[in-house]
Amino acid sequence: KNQVEQSPQSLIILEGKNCTLQCNYTVSPFSNLRWYKQDTGRGPVSLTIMTFSENTKSNGRYTATLDADTKQSSLHITASQLSDSASYICVVNPADRGSTLGRLYFGRGTQLTVWP
Amino acid sequence: KAGVTQTPRYLIKTRGQQVTLSCSPISGHRSVSWYQQTPGQGLQFLFEYFSETQRNKGNFPGRFSGRQFSNSRSEMNVSTLELGDSALYLCASSWGRDSGRGPYEQYFGPGTRLTVT
Repeated sequence: KNQVEQSPQSLIILEGKNCTLQCNYTVSPFSNLRWYKQDTGRGPVSLTIMTFSENTKSNGRYTATLDADTKQSSLHITASQLSDSASYICVVNPADRGSTLGRLYFGRGTQLTVWP
Repeated sequence: KAGVTQTPRYLIKTRGQQVTLSCSPISGHRSVSWYQQTPGQGLQFLFEYFSETQRNKGNFPGRFSGRQFSNSRSEMNVSTLELGDSALYLCASSWGRDSGRGPYEQYFGPGTRLTVT
């Protein structure tokens, strides 16, 4: 069973609308959680990184939240644009605090399509 | 500052052959990680190198190997290719390794698309 589950698998929204993508994880212990955006045919680009002690992080129109108690994270996109069409991937690093060992766990991604 | 570069961008090989992929990290970055991405499995961690040493390894068979040079450039090798090895292979670099002092931003290259026939 994948330790990082994302929902929905795919999403279609109209330009200008807001949307929220979900990420549930079971990875423990947990050091940090990342959200990446991947355009078709390109490598992922980092949007946000949150440590276990942070519960929100913004990057322009992207806002990520984290609830380490329930092991849930969400990525909220406001005022969507056509260029937001991409796969959004949630990644969890289970490295213990103080340990340099890490092994990233990836969700399967949410494919977002923004229509004009 | 130049980004992460990977060569070649596209590669077609036949079953049983071996392949070597190359990754040049961002100047000054010491950590290089490799990932495999397929439509069925998504992104999967292969291994991580830091200061020429493999620091972490994912759940892949021994046919997958890598190394890092003193200039931080890295190569990964896949021997005895199988059809299931067809994938996008991504390399990512960062200045340091995630630790209790905090996470480091990771930058991905464009990937090498490997097709095994």
